[in-house]
Amino acid sequence: AIRMTQSPSSLSASTGDRVTITCRASQGISSYLAWYQQKPGRAPRLLIYGASTLQDGVPSRFSGSGSGTDFTLTISCLQSEDFATYYCQQYYSFPLTFGGGTKVQIK
Amino acid sequence: EMQLVESGGGLVQPGGSLRLSCSASGFTFSTYTMHWVRQAPGKGLESVSTIGANGAITYADSVKGRFTISRDNSKNSLYLQMTSLRPEDTAIYYCVKDRYCTTTTCPQDHWGQGILVTVSS
Repeated sequence: AIRMTQSPSSLSASTGDRVTITCRASQGISSYLAWYQQKPGRAPRLLIYGASTLQDGVPSRFSGSGSGTDFTLTISCLQSEDFATYYCQQYYSFPLTFGGGTKVQIK
Repeated sequence: EMQLVESGGGLVQPGGSLRLSCSASGFTFSTYTMHWVRQAPGKGLESVSTIGANGAITYADSVKGRFTISRDNSKNSLYLQMTSLRPEDTAIYYCVKDRYCTTTTCPQDHWGQGILVTVSS
């Protein structure tokens, strides 16, 4: 199975900050990379797929980049509703695998 | 509106069995790959099993030989039969739908609310 490694595992930031989360795949996955947001007690929500394509309804302050093995999720101007846990996922091959998550907390 | 509603969870003893169901609505169920994804308490996400629109099936190594995924397109329903359950299977189980896409594999765009399975004596 392809292993997905996210960093950092948690971070503290303030509203208005620019936040970057990285994700590395153990082998090349082209652009078959998705990012999900999960809030406590809720199901995950798809934010970005194809490494950089915004899902419908997702604010433009979210962006993704990368291909091959190295990817990033950037939140350009952190809002209060963005405090959550973020997961990367490869869907290049089965089994689908997720990164360990990055918890974005209020500083 | 697309909806996925899981049922069948609960408390079961180690070694026991449980069958999860997912009722789908608001989309053409038969044409989408469907998944079961789980999340242990306070932990990350783990893909458990996938069933394609063509019936192709995959399992995580951790459940292979113990869990069986199936679908009934006439009832717009997805199932997960779980046997030989272990304490480490304790998790919220999500029924998840693929997003429409033109590639061979796709991300997932709709998740059910999740159902808790607790394996404990």
